[in-house]
Amino acid sequence: AQSVTQPDIHITVSEGASLELRCNYSYGATPYLFWYVQSPGQGLQLLLKYFSGDTLVQGIKGFEAEFKRSQSSFNLRKPSVHWSDAAEYFCAVGAGNNDMRFGAGTRLTVKP
Amino acid sequence: DAMVIQNPRYQVTQFGKPVTLSCSQTLNHNVMYWYQQKSSQAPKLLFHYYDKDFNNEADTPDNFQSRRPNTSFCFLDIRSPGLGDAAMYLCATSRDLRQTPIQETQYFGPGTRLLVL
Repeated sequence: AQSVTQPDIHITVSEGASLELRCNYSYGATPYLFWYVQSPGQGLQLLLKYFSGDTLVQGIKGFEAEFKRSQSSFNLRKPSVHWSDAAEYFCAVGAGNNDMRFGAGTRLTVKP
Repeated sequence: DAMVIQNPRYQVTQFGKPVTLSCSQTLNHNVMYWYQQKSSQAPKLLFHYYDKDFNNEADTPDNFQSRRPNTSFCFLDIRSPGLGDAAMYLCATSRDLRQTPIQETQYFGPGTRLLVL
């Protein structure tokens, strides 16, 4: 079965600084990869997804992610973080069926 | 706007008292999911419906049941809530035509936070 690891439990960045959240997956075939964001007390909102094609994926809110098969990674990036980006970020991997597995999440704090 | 709606947003119940959480969707998606998310943890899939077909995860306790009376609605029933069942419960939907082996995107509702006293 597929699995996801998010190595960083908590990251703090200054407003305006760049951001990279790490995600590593384990799956024997072509993975379907997602990044979701969750604000406190809210559901999950899809930021972006990768199914195939261009390995650099653009999402909403200025986020992008790059799929690197050789490293089994799908890291999320943003060039300039805004205070409103403070939230919990979840990476997820799907196996082409209705089974999607989430990472444990990375909590982002943004300093003024 | 098409969306996934969960009611109530907050639910308080007593230890052992049955409780039902509700999810509805206007996306006309054929797959509906229930996840349990405990504090600072990843969402954990409890079960899902593919149309009317119920698919239970192997480690989902028998205390958790679900009903899907029609395409739009899905309910999560907790027969005898324990203190350990306090969590956020997330409903999600996706469109799965099973015509291609592709992972369809799941769309989530805002969640229901359950408190067990």
